[in-house]
Amino acid sequence: DGGITQSPKYLFRKEGQNVTLSCEQNLNHDAMYWYRQDPGQGLRLIYYSQIVNDFQKGDIAEGYSVSREKKESFPLTVTSAQKNPTAFYLCASSIRTGVYSNQPQHFGDGTRLSIL
Amino acid sequence: AQSVAQPEDQVNVAEGNPLTVKCTYSVSGNPYLFWYVQYPNRGLQFLLKYITGDNLVKGSYGFEAEFNKSQTSFHLKKPSALVSDSALYFCAVRPANAGKSTFGDGTTLTVKP
Repeated sequence: DGGITQSPKYLFRKEGQNVTLSCEQNLNHDAMYWYRQDPGQGLRLIYYSQIVNDFQKGDIAEGYSVSREKKESFPLTVTSAQKNPTAFYLCASSIRTGVYSNQPQHFGDGTRLSIL
Repeated sequence: AQSVAQPEDQVNVAEGNPLTVKCTYSVSGNPYLFWYVQYPNRGLQFLLKYITGDNLVKGSYGFEAEFNKSQTSFHLKKPSALVSDSALYFCAVRPANAGKSTFGDGTTLTVKP
């Protein structure tokens, strides 16, 4: 079955540590997204990528970094500069943006990050 | 800039009764509108979308949504609620040709037996 795989499901970060969240999709989608979900605040966009080797900052990019070296992979690094990283992180993909922006996003099942 | 408002944090209905989850939006130009559902510790699942045409859109699991351009609303509805419909529902808007969507803060739907 095609879909989006996020790993790990749970992740713990120590003070001053960078951690990387994995997101892999086999849907052949061009666009990929990272969201942060906090209780009562809905989804906030961290970064998105519309094509390999290109990505744009979302609304809350500070303290995060991404790469898009392969179409199917879009890892997110939570750096030590992100002082409040505890949240549920969701990765999503869509077939394409631009004239195809009427297509829905497909979501992974998330990674829950906590501070030790 | 685009925005989405879901004015109710929580909606409670009895099983078998109709349900409505409200969504209003603000966007420049023609909007694409989406509803998603999220179960605990899971990702979002797509329910339905409005692109153009008929203002009443039908989607998965018996859900439908009514687009109202004058009121800039896109309310989610279901004629007869099930206990299994209990979940967190998100409305999202994306302007045509835009690279990203904006999500509302979500509405928790609880259906009681």
